[in-house]
Amino acid sequence: GENVEQHPSTLSVQEGDSAVIKCTYSDSASNYFPWYKQELGKRPQLIIDIRSNVGEKKDQRIAVTLNKTAKHFSLHITETQPEDSAVYFCAASSGGGNKLTFGTGTQLKVEL
Amino acid sequence: GAVVSQHPSRVICKSGTSVKIECRSLDFQATTMFWYRQFPKQSLMLMATSNEGSKATYEQGVEKDKFLINHASLTLSTLTVTSAHPEDSSFYICSARPPLNTGELFFGEGSRLTVL
Repeated sequence: GENVEQHPSTLSVQEGDSAVIKCTYSDSASNYFPWYKQELGKRPQLIIDIRSNVGEKKDQRIAVTLNKTAKHFSLHITETQPEDSAVYFCAASSGGGNKLTFGTGTQLKVEL
Repeated sequence: GAVVSQHPSRVICKSGTSVKIECRSLDFQATTMFWYRQFPKQSLMLMATSNEGSKATYEQGVEKDKFLINHASLTLSTLTVTSAHPEDSSFYICSARPPLNTGELFFGEGSRLTVL
């Protein structure tokens, strides 16, 4: 089955700096790659996603890049703000996105 | 976006008892729902796929007799943790995707189970 690895496990940045989180996946059939943000004790919320027919996608301060050949994808957050502090999970799925496999999560802390 | 709701949000029970958690899709019909378990500071691990009108599909290592899943209607799936033990204490989250949507999974609020 699919295996998703995520790095780093913790990331601390200064407010206004950029944050980058990287994931790799194992199943070449995976074609959907969402990123979720989870605040403590709450449900995961989708922040951005990308499909395998696209190399990059951007939504305001958030962008995701995908390298299908290398089987890795990354989340980029620019101009970080304290409210960006949370745990971020990458995920991968194939077959219409029915089954999501999550990465191990990154605890992002944006310091003032 | 679509709304998925879970109940209860928190439950405390004694060892040996059973606990039922409900997952509802409020504004769409879900033939498939997914149950995840999340231990503190860990990732979401898929436990099983709940299929309306048929048996659930369990992931490797998940005991189907311990985690009973029933998906009796297009808007409701239930997870029953039978004979709960302290090691079953966890955050259980369900998710679903609206029909014809091959993208975003919508998650319930989660249910924090504590077994004493």
